[in-house]
Amino acid sequence: AQSVTQLGSHVSVSEGALVLLRCNYSSSVPPYLFWYVQYPNQGLQLLLKYTSAATLVKGINGFEAEFKKSETSFHLTKPSAHMSDAAEYFCAVSSLGFGNEKLTFGTGTRLTIIP
Amino acid sequence: DTGVSQDPRHKITKRGQNVTFRCDPISEHNRLYWYRQTLGQGPEFLTYFQNEAQLEKSRLLSDRFSAERPKGSFSTLEIQRTEQGDSAMYLCASSLQGSLTYEQYFGPGTRLTVT
Repeated sequence: AQSVTQLGSHVSVSEGALVLLRCNYSSSVPPYLFWYVQYPNQGLQLLLKYTSAATLVKGINGFEAEFKKSETSFHLTKPSAHMSDAAEYFCAVSSLGFGNEKLTFGTGTRLTIIP
Repeated sequence: DTGVSQDPRHKITKRGQNVTFRCDPISEHNRLYWYRQTLGQGPEFLTYFQNEAQLEKSRLLSDRFSAERPKGSFSTLEIQRTEQGDSAMYLCASSLQGSLTYEQYFGPGTRLTVT
């Protein structure tokens, strides 16, 4: 079984400030981890993914995440928030490579940017 | 690459009616997934296909739900005798098995409202 916990359903940061969205996972096999972003009334867009290569993963729009096995975490960061980053962010885990490709999502974190 | 498309984008129906949604995946993708997303929650896996074969169904998929992918291209999701609890966003995603990108591409979703 696998699961994802996203701490903080709502996060507010000032424009230009550091963005930190937290994700902890549970998986019985080595996980593949993903961050997706969802804008209102739209589908999900992949920001970045960890697939057992480099532990520090860089994605689109200046986001990055670090896989920490000892902490079972995959937190998403961006050095300087932009107004266009306001959206819902979902962390997801999969057992790709072990015959289980479905994604298990967290409950999401709504990011608000304060001008 | 035109992306994953879903039709309709919005559907309002009365309780007890049947509804059918369509998903057209990216043309060369052989895997197709259905997820359901309720308000304030992350997407939850419903089922997925490889070509025309339905490989896994979630326990969330009650007997009132049926999904097909008859020719390994587009897929339909039918809900019979809709209930108010079926109100949600239904998301479709596709991927290419064996691809090293490990990415599921999501469509814009179909929002179902059961009155």
